Amino acid sequence: EVQLVESGGGLVKPGGSLRLSCVASGFTFSTYTMTWVRQAPGKGLEWVSSISSPSTHIYYADSVKGRFTISRDNAKNSLYLQMNSLRGEDTAVYFCAREVRKGWFDPWGQGTLVTVSS
Amino acid sequence: QTVVTQEPSFSVSPGGTVTLTCGLSSDSVSVSYYPTWYRQTPGQAPRTLIYSTNTRSPGVPDRFSGSILGNKAALTITGAQADDEADYYCVLCMGSGVCVFGGGTKLTVL
Repeated sequence: EVQLVESGGGLVKPGGSLRLSCVASGFTFSTYTMTWVRQAPGKGLEWVSSISSPSTHIYYADSVKGRFTISRDNAKNSLYLQMNSLRGEDTAVYFCAREVRKGWFDPWGQGTLVTVSS
Repeated sequence: QTVVTQEPSFSVSPGGTVTLTCGLSSDSVSVSYYPTWYRQTPGQAPRTLIYSTNTRSPGVPDRFSGSILGNKAALTITGAQADDEADYYCVLCMGSGVCVFGGGTKLTVL
């Protein structure tokens, strides 16, 4: 079964840092571009970042550029999102997803909640 | 800044047909943006309905279809059912490598 499992969310103070992880199983992780998408409470989806394999092509939404860093470890079937200088507006459920084709993200993980609050 | 526009809400009668649209603030939507449509119900991860403008994701019934209508991408649902009530999102991917989701359409079936 193709599966993605996120972890690393939690409560962090404004200005703080957090590292999210996403472990993949059931498919050849190293052959897919991977993506992070977030959803603030009660709001819509927001594409955050994507990384190709190998990590040649990396893209970020303007809202996180310079603060977030996406990375991957194909040997561990893992995707990461290092989040620095966190703000209240970064509060969201963060989903990792496999990019099957441009724009086609499937499957999605169950999401991990990041709350930025003092 | 690129903005992807969707109707905030829409309603359809059971058995009826509805077309949701996905536009760009600064350009016409074309197949080059790889329009993709998702459906999300509360507490669940999104599920792909249509990718690359008009290709149904595996397992999606043919009641769902995608197209380009004028200068927008469109998702048409025919024979609407009660469990089609959900939030529908489109996403467009730019040549720069960045993708942008629309704000979503809350579909009510009544």
